Amino acid sequence: DTAVSQTPKYLVTQMGNDKSIKCEQNLGHDTMYWYKQDSKKFLKIMFSYNNKELIINETVPNRFSPKSPDKAHLNLHINSLELGDSAVYFCASSQGSGAHQETQYFGPGTRLLVL
Amino acid sequence: AQSVTQLGSHVSVSEGALVLLRCNYSSSVPPYLFWYVQYPNQGLQLLLKYTSAATLVKGINGFEAEFKKSETSFHLTKPSAHMSDAAEYFCAVSRNSGGSNYKLTFGKGTLLTVNP
Repeated sequence: DTAVSQTPKYLVTQMGNDKSIKCEQNLGHDTMYWYKQDSKKFLKIMFSYNNKELIINETVPNRFSPKSPDKAHLNLHINSLELGDSAVYFCASSQGSGAHQETQYFGPGTRLLVL
Repeated sequence: AQSVTQLGSHVSVSEGALVLLRCNYSSSVPPYLFWYVQYPNQGLQLLLKYTSAATLVKGINGFEAEFKKSETSFHLTKPSAHMSDAAEYFCAVSRNSGGSNYKLTFGKGTLLTVNP
């Protein structure tokens, strides 16, 4: 019954590796998001997709590449991982087109540690 | 640019005491404001949101917030704290990111601890 799910929950890897995080929502929402939460709990949006189309692309290194195979899934692939990529990554979704008043529903997070 | 500032990175209250978490916004247009809560090792959950329908907004778990334009504030309150309220609280504002797209900009968060 999980609304927004992410896998894996924890990810420990070496610098330079490539890794992916998967996100799925079963709420029937049209818009999905990726956020990064740093060690000081600061939360910042990275990307947003509406019906598989990229609508928000913040200043994120090219090593980060989101992919949305359908509107229920939004995956995040990270190439050449760096120490600074260590963070908690949250997926979220909202019902409509990402309008200003929409509630976002968050997944449980993926804790990435780069060694 | 629209942003929010949360005053106090850490607030500590006794169980049963009033909870007051402060959030001020800067916006040149009527803002859409949100309070989210993050329990330990979990994702964020919406507590309440202001969308200009009413200045006093009631949310889940007994929380409410009042939008005060004159003070550019949207402080979160709860009359009586429970131990289960211990969490990180985030104020956020919805900002236009181009065209009809909007994004949430979060404050730095306030950690609420509740003492028995």
